[in-house]
Amino acid sequence: GAVVSQHPSRVICKSGTSVKIECRSLDFQATTMFWYRQFPKKSLMLMATSNEGSKATYEQGVEKDKFLINHASLTLSTLTVTSAHPEDSSFYICSAVRGGFGETQYFGPGTRLLVL
Amino acid sequence: GNSVTQMEGPVTLSEEAFLTINCTYTATGYPSLFWYVQYPGEGLQLLLKATKADDKGSNKGFEATYRKETTSFHLEKGSVQVSDSAVYFCALSDQVGTSYDKVIFGPGTSLSVIP
Repeated sequence: GAVVSQHPSRVICKSGTSVKIECRSLDFQATTMFWYRQFPKKSLMLMATSNEGSKATYEQGVEKDKFLINHASLTLSTLTVTSAHPEDSSFYICSAVRGGFGETQYFGPGTRLLVL
Repeated sequence: GNSVTQMEGPVTLSEEAFLTINCTYTATGYPSLFWYVQYPGEGLQLLLKATKADDKGSNKGFEATYRKETTSFHLEKGSVQVSDSAVYFCALSDQVGTSYDKVIFGPGTSLSVIP
């Protein structure tokens, strides 16, 4: 099956710093990548959708200036949490899709962010 | 809008017991339906999927049938194992514009299987 990786798997940072999380599709080209946030014992909340070479589409209530998404190539998308605060602590999961409709999303293993 | 509802649990079963996790959905059109599993501390893995009415998805002893008449996609397994302990998410795909699907997740059901 398709493999999606995330780096780092875990990060601890001080309040006010920015953190970048990478999402890579290792064995396929992803036309679309998704970023989710998962609170403890809760479901996944879609934050934004990114298509290679174009601006990300953010879900309602997600601050685009806070969560910067870049999809520079067909195998890499990055999420940067700017000026992180403790309330940004969460589990961030990306997924990637090979093509268009009907394609399965392949999920990365997630990145646990802890902001002190 | 489209949505997914599932029993939230937690569900605790003894090993070799029968498992059912109910899932119902609301959608316009003809979404694909999925079950994802999340083991402790890990990301999501696709467990099974069905893309049209009456399709049955199956994997690792788990099954679910796409029932359009009842808008349901219940997950079943005849005999659970301790290793099945995880959180299970029912989901549907929602076509967006002309380029991709967006997946909508249910709240998740935590399953604990005890020896």
